[in-house]
Amino acid sequence: SQTIHQWPATLVQPVGSPLSLECTVEGTSNPNLYWYRQAAGRGLQLLFYSVGIGQISSEVPQNLSASRPQDRQFILSSKKLLLSDSGFYLCAWSPDGDSPLHFGNGTRLTVT
Amino acid sequence: KQEVTQIPAALSVPEGENLVLNCSFTDSAIYNLQWFRQDPGKGLTSLLLIQSSQREQTSGRLNASLDKSSGRSTLYIAASQPGDSATYLCAVRNSARQLTFGSGTQLTVLP
Repeated sequence: SQTIHQWPATLVQPVGSPLSLECTVEGTSNPNLYWYRQAAGRGLQLLFYSVGIGQISSEVPQNLSASRPQDRQFILSSKKLLLSDSGFYLCAWSPDGDSPLHFGNGTRLTVT
Repeated sequence: KQEVTQIPAALSVPEGENLVLNCSFTDSAIYNLQWFRQDPGKGLTSLLLIQSSQREQTSGRLNASLDKSSGRSTLYIAASQPGDSATYLCAVRNSARQLTFGSGTQLTVLP
């Protein structure tokens, strides 16, 4: 069966510091991969999605970037964090664009 | 631009009650609709996926219906239990496979 791993679970970082969140999927190949951010009381906002290695689409202009160095690995990064980057970050995958989306357990990021 | 609304934002019911959660969307040209459950501080768990050609999907005590023409979907939970307490989100996928989420309904089932 397929599983998705996301780490760390929580992170506290000072303003201006770099960020790296990692997500890996097991038990499947060439998945669609997604990064979402969830703000309190609001719906999920799609940040990035990828349909293959090195293929990244950005949905919103922001202080963040994403990379897919391997088929089942998706990384969310920032060179310098802003206070507004605080939030709950969720990685998700699906076999293709038609199938159900499956989420990791999320990373709670607090920028101080 | 697709907008997805879930009302009410919060709902509290006694154990054993049957309940309906609502999801409405502005653009009826959808590809499919997915219902999720989210426990506090956790990721989303997929519950049901309804294709645009389907009217409903069932899994255990859960039944999701879809009325594309009116831009509505409902999630019916039978015989609610305290363990059903969570936030329930719906998400609508368009033909470009883009997903738009609602803000969710926070359900509390009282023992």
